Amino acid sequence: AQTVTQSQPEMSVQEAETVTLSCTYDTSESNYYLFWYKQPPSRQMILVIRQEAYKQQNATENRFSVNFQKAAKSFSLKISDSQLGDTAMYFCAFMKQGAQKLVFGQGTRLTINP
Amino acid sequence: GAVVSQHPSWVICKSGTSVKIECRSLDFQATTMFWYRQFPKQSLMLMATSNEGSKATYEQGVEKDKFLINHASLTLSTLTVTSAHPEDSSFYICSARAEGGGYTFGSGTRLTVV
Repeated sequence: AQTVTQSQPEMSVQEAETVTLSCTYDTSESNYYLFWYKQPPSRQMILVIRQEAYKQQNATENRFSVNFQKAAKSFSLKISDSQLGDTAMYFCAFMKQGAQKLVFGQGTRLTINP
Repeated sequence: GAVVSQHPSWVICKSGTSVKIECRSLDFQATTMFWYRQFPKQSLMLMATSNEGSKATYEQGVEKDKFLINHASLTLSTLTVTSAHPEDSSFYICSARAEGGGYTFGSGTRLTVV
């Protein structure tokens, strides 16, 4: 079974700083997808970024980028120029190709301080 | 973009009664819907996966008779918590997925059983 581990329960940075959230996963699959979801205080789950395992290029979405290390089974999220609105729980998730279920990590609570 | 409407957003019920939570995909056909439970400051725990017109597939440890899931149409799935007890109090989130598409989450339902 696949597992996703987020080793940082909480993180806190100042506004405008850059922060990196860690995620590792365990799988024997070669084709899969990785996701970062944001859950702000409203508790609405929002997709931040998605990475296909077959793509070597790291995904980017504006201020959000990932460092995908397939061999190391690592998928970290970098938030540049952090904003107060980035304050949220962040969940890393895994889905093997052809499957339906997302496997979530434990989450990292990120606080952006003014 | 894809929108999933979940109602009610919060509900209080008496112990022993049943409560129904609705999850609707507003602008796409959801071939698969998922129901999650989230405890405070914890990750999402998948309860069940439902495909339109089929019986739901429950995760290990989830009581089928307590958490009734119906996915009668391509735009509606319901979760009924039967004979609710205080330990069923939690935050419930649905997610919907179109064929080959991404996941869209509802805004969640906070259930309090008194």
